[in-house]
Amino acid sequence: DQQVKQNSPSLSVQEGRISILNCDYTNSMFDYFLWYKKYPAEGPTFLISISSIKDKNEDGRFTVFLNKSAKHLSLHIVPSQPGDSAVYFCAATTTGTASKLTFGTGTRLQVTL
Amino acid sequence: NAGVTQTPKFQVLKTGQSMTLQCAQDMNHNSMYWYRQDPGMGLRLIYYSASEGTTDKGEVPNGYNVSRLNKREFSLRLESAAPSQTSVYFCASSRLGIANYGYTFGSGTRLTVV
Repeated sequence: DQQVKQNSPSLSVQEGRISILNCDYTNSMFDYFLWYKKYPAEGPTFLISISSIKDKNEDGRFTVFLNKSAKHLSLHIVPSQPGDSAVYFCAATTTGTASKLTFGTGTRLQVTL
Repeated sequence: NAGVTQTPKFQVLKTGQSMTLQCAQDMNHNSMYWYRQDPGMGLRLIYYSASEGTTDKGEVPNGYNVSRLNKREFSLRLESAAPSQTSVYFCASSRLGIANYGYTFGSGTRLTVV
């Protein structure tokens, strides 16, 4: 049973436009959410996170929105750049001393010139 | 600062062979994890170690064993490799209490079982 879902396997966006990556979760115990970015032949790297007590967190070009009632979060990248082309994973956890992340299936973003 | 180091980077095994994937971190993190990445499946947790001396099963532990050798090192062993274990394996570590920090991942081991 996939507790974290990314229903779009791929997304193509023009350089300079907004990229919106979506993620849905089913476990209401999740209270912390993270986005990771992965380039080929590298490990995932942490991008941005949000606690369930917030509905928005911003870091430069990256903003994550959380809608708890819909169990939905999204990552906005504005403006998109060619270097943003990568696979993006959404992850969720229940905070605590033995926290572990549950990942979505990933969305491959391609930013075209 | 090396972060999380995984060895080997690539490996080809024959069905039934055994091998150990090594992972070491130099960030003084308490928790360590092994994930596998498969197309369309995302990253799935195999085993984790919340702290030195403890290990627990994750979502897909069958066919694997782990050893938390010390605070720095967490190894993953395949006793009798099967083609279904062909995957990319990632080791990760985190501070105690994951919030705000997330994981630091290694660069992965690409394993093919023929």
